[in-house]
Amino acid sequence: DAGVIQSPRHEVTEMGQEVTLRCKPISGHDYLFWYRQTMMQGLELLVYFNNKAVMDDSGMPKDRFSAKMPNASFSTLKIQPSEPRDSAVYFCASTEEGATDTQYFGPGTRLTVL
Amino acid sequence: QKEVEQNSGPLSVPEGAIASLNCTYSDRGSQSFFWYRQYSGKSPELIMFIYSNGDKEDGRFTAQLNKASQYVSLLIRDSQPSDSATYLCAVIRSGSARQLTFGSGTQLTVLP
Repeated sequence: DAGVIQSPRHEVTEMGQEVTLRCKPISGHDYLFWYRQTMMQGLELLVYFNNKAVMDDSGMPKDRFSAKMPNASFSTLKIQPSEPRDSAVYFCASTEEGATDTQYFGPGTRLTVL
Repeated sequence: QKEVEQNSGPLSVPEGAIASLNCTYSDRGSQSFFWYRQYSGKSPELIMFIYSNGDKEDGRFTAQLNKASQYVSLLIRDSQPSDSATYLCAVIRSGSARQLTFGSGTQLTVLP
């Protein structure tokens, strides 16, 4: 059974460019989470969806970040314009209603903004 | 005060010893508690979850929860070099649905 899939695995871009990160949750999971991990801040929740609807995006800088989930099997996190401080590893995770609240993480996207 | 606090370490133990990892949380209404392991350059993976006061054992791992003291711990018996990783404590706070709040992690090194 495939786990959470993320692409790209690595992204290097220049300040000011648009970056789009992609995630495919585990089939049947109706919750999807986007996290950012840095050495300084640790693992932070940016936004999460339930049944494709945004439930909480209070952790996401709204001036430059946007998250969408157009269908149950695909989500994007877009940064426009990107800044060096956005350099981090971005993880997507999913879980299902009625489960043990266990979140399964994807392999992450390492983003470097020069 | 951070919502979930862990000693950052590093914690070093010899192979075969018991490693003890600790975590405290600030929201007394928190209901669900998790331990994730993260190898360098990899994603977090679940080791255990615990909901009720007391101990929960799974193989070499034991999670301990004390809600009165707002304290959760992870014991690793017969530690192996392959246990060397960062261990993340995570909590679902009251009223936060399925949102996990993570501690900063404790780096564990098991010395051969």
